Amino acid sequence: GDSVTQMEGPVTLSEEAFLTINCTYTATGYPSLFWYVQYPGEGLQLLLKATKADDKGSNKGFEATYRKETTSFHLEKGSVQVSDSAVYFCALLTNTNAGKSTFGDGTTLTVKP
Amino acid sequence: DAGVTQSPTHLIKTRGQHVTLRCSPISGHKSVSWYQQVLGQGPQFIFQYYEKEERGRGNFPDRFSARQFPNYSSELNVNALLLGDSALYLCASSLEGDQPQHFGDGTRLSIL
Repeated sequence: GDSVTQMEGPVTLSEEAFLTINCTYTATGYPSLFWYVQYPGEGLQLLLKATKADDKGSNKGFEATYRKETTSFHLEKGSVQVSDSAVYFCALLTNTNAGKSTFGDGTTLTVKP
Repeated sequence: DAGVTQSPTHLIKTRGQHVTLRCSPISGHKSVSWYQQVLGQGPQFIFQYYEKEERGRGNFPDRFSARQFPNYSSELNVNALLLGDSALYLCASSLEGDQPQHFGDGTRLSIL
């Protein structure tokens, strides 16, 4: 079955530090890949997406590249801010399991001033 | 446009009771999915409905059921509540089943 593995957290960084959150996946079919962000007490917000190999998704300074050869979709940001503190989820969606996103367990990011 | 809306936002029930959670998708979205998110974990898929038909079911007991109405809104029902049903229940909608999903803020269900 489909699965997503994220790097274990939590992650604590100082403001303006470089961020990497690792994500690898296993999927049948051809998945689309996503990063979602969840702030305390809220639902999930779509941060970025990539629908095919070598696509790069980007939003708000965050980037992730769909690497089919390594089945990875690592999230990066060059300079984090305190406001980036949240839980980040990597997820996949396949056309063979439409409407069923498979999520990793999430990585909690805390950015200190 | 309004996003995905869920009601109620919080709910407290006791063991053995039943609960109904409601979801209104983004206008024009025909696919609605339900997820359970236990504290410290990622969301787990419960159901997907498309055009009022169940298209997918996750590994949840028959105590969980759902339906979708002609206006594409949806209800999730849980019977005979257990302590382990305490979680954040998320609804997500998309134009089609293989399109990116948009999530509501969830219903926080607490079982005493």
